[in-house]
Amino acid sequence: DAGVTQSPTHLIKTRGQQVTLRCSPKSGHDTVSWYQQALGQGPQFIFQYYEEEERQRGNFPDRFSGHQFPNYSSELNVNALLLGDSALYLCASSLPGTGYEQYFGPGTRLTVT
Amino acid sequence: AQTVTQSQPEMSVQEAETVTLSCTYDTSESDYYLFWYKQPPSRQMILVIRQEAYKQQNATENRFSVNFQKAAKSFSLKISDSQLGDAAMYFCALYDSGYALNFGKGTSLLVTP
Repeated sequence: DAGVTQSPTHLIKTRGQQVTLRCSPKSGHDTVSWYQQALGQGPQFIFQYYEEEERQRGNFPDRFSGHQFPNYSSELNVNALLLGDSALYLCASSLPGTGYEQYFGPGTRLTVT
Repeated sequence: AQTVTQSQPEMSVQEAETVTLSCTYDTSESDYYLFWYKQPPSRQMILVIRQEAYKQQNATENRFSVNFQKAAKSFSLKISDSQLGDAAMYFCALYDSGYALNFGKGTSLLVTP
């Protein structure tokens, strides 16, 4: 049973560019949440997708957007990258009705130069 | 607003000894969940233990146990018989009325031979 997978593992972008990160949830899971983890900090909630809709959003600007596909996989898009967007981006999935039990992927390390 | 505070940035323990990591939280909800996650250098966030607020009995998972003090809003993690593989960042997290996990800043645990 495959766990949560994320791609790419790491990437380097230039300030002002746009980036897309991808996540495939654990088998049977239909809800995907995205978190940003800056160096030396705990993860911060960006948003959650359920039934292809954004269900809740954390305190992040509109430059951060997402999408969920019919197969429950998800993308995180960040536009107009800033140096401060450099972080580990974690995806987590959960079963319907058990949102408290979130399984995390290995993350994507984004470096903005 | 929910908050999670970990006041110990770093802790050290000798192999085979016991260590306790501290966490305090704040929430206005009566129904919530508390978690301890482990994040080794591989970056994968691994669930260590979960505590439901409505349960009076402290959760245990093998060498890991918690001391849940609901009135004091305290949730500490005890690791018994520490092993080298326990070395990692440990995050305390709260899940209550929303869909997001709220994390503390983490405690770095060093295990010495």
